[in-house]
Amino acid sequence: KQEVTQIPAALSVPEGENLVLNCSFTDSAIYNLQWFRQDPGKGLTSLLLIQSSQREQTSGRLNASLDKSSGRSTLYIAASQPGDSATYLCAVRRGGGYNKLIFGAGTRLAVHP
Amino acid sequence: DGGITQSPKYLFRKEGQNVTLSCEQNLNHDAMYWYRQDPGQGLRLIYYSQIVNDFQKGDIAEGYSVSREKKESFPLTVTSAQKNPTAFYLCASSGTGDETQYFGPGTRLLVL
Repeated sequence: KQEVTQIPAALSVPEGENLVLNCSFTDSAIYNLQWFRQDPGKGLTSLLLIQSSQREQTSGRLNASLDKSSGRSTLYIAASQPGDSATYLCAVRRGGGYNKLIFGAGTRLAVHP
Repeated sequence: DGGITQSPKYLFRKEGQNVTLSCEQNLNHDAMYWYRQDPGQGLRLIYYSQIVNDFQKGDIAEGYSVSREKKESFPLTVTSAQKNPTAFYLCASSGTGDETQYFGPGTRLLVL
């Protein structure tokens, strides 16, 4: 059974810091991995999607990497800003079949001025 | 504007009552999903539908029911059999060949 774990559960950093969020999964047979952002009391917004054949994806100040063999992904946020404060969730999609996502519990990030 | 709408934003349920959460999308997506989110936990799949008039149970379907009579609508009913319904409910949809799921703003269900 696929399990997704995110460490740390919460993180508080001063503005301007570079930071890394971690995601690990137990079954390496994944189709892709996604990182989402969730603001308090809101829905999820997709940030980055990495296919199983890819090693990383970049969007602006965000960079996500994937090491499928070791069951790990990291989300790197450069030059953090208070507007980055949110919960970040990673989700893996199983290979084949329908688009079923298995989510981690998320990392709650607070960036203070 | 294209997107997913959920209503109501807050819903209160009395003991023994069935309540229905609305989810509508105008993205022309075939697939729709219902998730439940509890504090400090990830999302868990309740039901999903890949096409009109068809739906499948997810990981935690007990105490819930759905229908998919129209492509744009996927309502979720929380029945009295669901003994711990207090949670944040999220609806999502995805298109054919599109890897990403698009999420609605959510409905928070509380028990009186």
